[in-house]
Amino acid sequence: GQNIDQPTEMTATEGAIVQINCTYQTSGFNGLFWYQQHAGEAPTFLSYNVLDGLEEKGRFSSFLSRSKGYSYLLLKELQMKDSASYLCAVFNSNYQLIWGAGTKLIIKP
Amino acid sequence: ETGVTQTPRHLVMGMTNKKSLKCEQHLGHNAMYWYKQSAKKPLELMFVYSLEERVENNSVPSRFSPECPNSSHLFLHLHTLQPEDSALYLCASSQEWGTGGYEQYFGPGTRLTVT
Repeated sequence: GQNIDQPTEMTATEGAIVQINCTYQTSGFNGLFWYQQHAGEAPTFLSYNVLDGLEEKGRFSSFLSRSKGYSYLLLKELQMKDSASYLCAVFNSNYQLIWGAGTKLIIKP
Repeated sequence: ETGVTQTPRHLVMGMTNKKSLKCEQHLGHNAMYWYKQSAKKPLELMFVYSLEERVENNSVPSRFSPECPNSSHLFLHLHTLQPEDSALYLCASSQEWGTGGYEQYFGPGTRLTVT
C-alpha cells in the first residue's frame, strides 16, 4: 500500500523552532508538497521538493531525502499565527497525490 | 473574485434530500478536483477532471455525482446521503493534471452535515 506518516500533534513555544517530520512509502516518487491549513480554512501551498536537499522560504524550510523516504518542514521564529495543521503529500509514479493525515501544530505563548 | 470559490459554505441536509455543491476557479487552470476531508484522516480524492473530462473516480458511491460543464466550474450533486458522509468537501484546481510540480489551489470548502 501507499502511506504517508506524520505526527498527529505537536506543541511549540512562540519564538522557537519546530521540525515536522514526514515519512512516505509510495509507488514511485515525483515530488513532495507541504501545505498549511488553518482551522476551518482551505489548505494553502507552502513548498515543493523534488530533488534532495533543503529549500528555504523565509521562516519556513523544507528538506527532502528521497533515499530515506523522508522530509521535514522547519518553522523558525514561531508566531501564534503558525498554529495550524501541516499536510504532507507525495506525487507517486502515476502523479497521484497521496496525502498524510496532517500534523496539528499548537503554539503556546 | 480570485482563486477558487465554493458555495454553499455550510449545508445541512436530510438523507432524502438532493443538493448540489458548486466550485468555480478563476485561475485559468485545466484540472479540477473534489476532495472529502474528515477529522484526523488524510484528504480523500473523490474525482478529477482534466479539460472537462473525468480522469479519476476513486470508488466513490453513486450517491455522489460530479459534473464539469466547463473548465472553470465543477459541481458535486448529492442525493440520499448517509450520516457518515458528513465532512468538509474541498474543491481544488491546478494548472495541469498528470504531470508533476503543479500545486493545487483549494477553495474554502463546504461543511456538510447529513441528519
